[in-house]
Order: sequence, then C-alpha cells, then structure tokens
Amino acid sequence: SAVISQKPSRDICQRGTSLTIQCQVDSQVTMMFWYRQQPGQSLTLIATANQGSEATYESGFVIDKFPISRPNLTFSTLTVSNMSPEDSSIYLCSVESGSDYEQYFGPGTRLTVT
Amino acid sequence: AQSVSQHNHHVILSEAASLELGCNYSYGGTVNLFWYVQYPGQHLQLLLKYFSGDPLVKGIKGFEAEFIKSKFSFNLRKPSVQWSDTAEYFCAVNAEAGTYKYIFGTGTRLKVLA
Repeated sequence: SAVISQKPSRDICQRGTSLTIQCQVDSQVTMMFWYRQQPGQSLTLIATANQGSEATYESGFVIDKFPISRPNLTFSTLTVSNMSPEDSSIYLCSVESGSDYEQYFGPGTRLTVT
Repeated sequence: AQSVSQHNHHVILSEAASLELGCNYSYGGTVNLFWYVQYPGQHLQLLLKYFSGDPLVKGIKGFEAEFIKSKFSFNLRKPSVQWSDTAEYFCAVNAEAGTYKYIFGTGTRLKVLA
C-alpha cells in the first residue's frame, strides 16, 4: 500500500485569499486524485492529475478555481483560489493502487474560510 | 445522474450486536463496488470490494457485503460488532469502466458502545 501525507492538515483562511495543499506519496504513481468533502456531504472528485499532462476536471470544477500541479510521480498540489466560505471543506488526495481500481487516501486537509 | 445512497447516517449499537449498513446506487450498467472505512484520526481505507463473481464478498475485520444486482444494493454486514468498529463507513461505486471515478455515498457514522 502507499503512504500519503498532506500539508497543511488544517487551516483557517480569509475570504479572497488562496491556499495551496500539498500531497506527497511514498511511491511512484501515475494517477493522483483530489476530492472535496463538504460538511455533511459525500466525497466529490474534483480532478484527476496525471504526471506530465494537464489535470482533468470533473463537472462543476474549473482550473481557474482549483489549479493543480503534478510535477513528478510522487507529488501534487491543489490550490483553492479566491476562497469564499463555501470552500470550507475537507480536501483529500488519493492515488491509484494499481489493482482493481482501489485507491489509497491521504489524511485530508480541513479548510475553514472566514 | 448517478448517485449512491446510504440510508443510515448515524448508527449506535452495543458491542456484540449485529450490523447492517445499507447502500443503494442508481447506475444500471456494470459497476464496481467498494466500502471504505475511516477510523477516528485515521485515513480512509478499503474495507472490501466487489468486482465480479461471488456476490458475497468478505473484507477485513470480519466484515462482509452482498451485491444484489436486482436491488442495486451493496449492503455491509458484520455479525457481531466491537467497540473498535466505531468509525465512519462510506459506500462507493465505480460506474465508469476502466476509470477510477468513484461516486461516494454520504457516509454512516457508527458508534459502538462498550
């Protein structure tokens, strides 16, 4: 299995600012994913990030709001731009397991926007 | 739109009680089904998965789930819960063959009383 870490683990930010979340995995993986879990709701896939290509965003998510970088096979960042209170969520990264479409998840970043 | 429903949002049981958590999905084609668990302070981790074959699948820690195609269900069961099963449980469906695109349910918080 893969071990995934995320930084920061939590943050409180003011509206209008941006926050970059880092995701580090202890092994090389092709596919990394970013999810959002809003209070009381399910996890929703934001985008898929493959190394060497542009991230693929799901419906309702756009690159200008959630730019993603994937500079190598063990690291990715998600930026939440021009934040509003509605962006208050837990943001999780995950990676492919390479087997039966199982994913390994990071611990999440709890973001509060005031 | 595809969706996953978990009907029980909060469940409280005494130790040794039997557990069944419901999960229904709306997609009519071939699906891959997963149950993930998040213990307090820990990452989401895979509990069990169904890909094909025997519709009764067994996972870690004595959990099992039954895929009933006619009912679009994948309910999670455990005959006798322990205090250590206190966690949040998520059902997920991969309805796009060949991808990692999950649709998650909203989760069920289980509390087991010692």
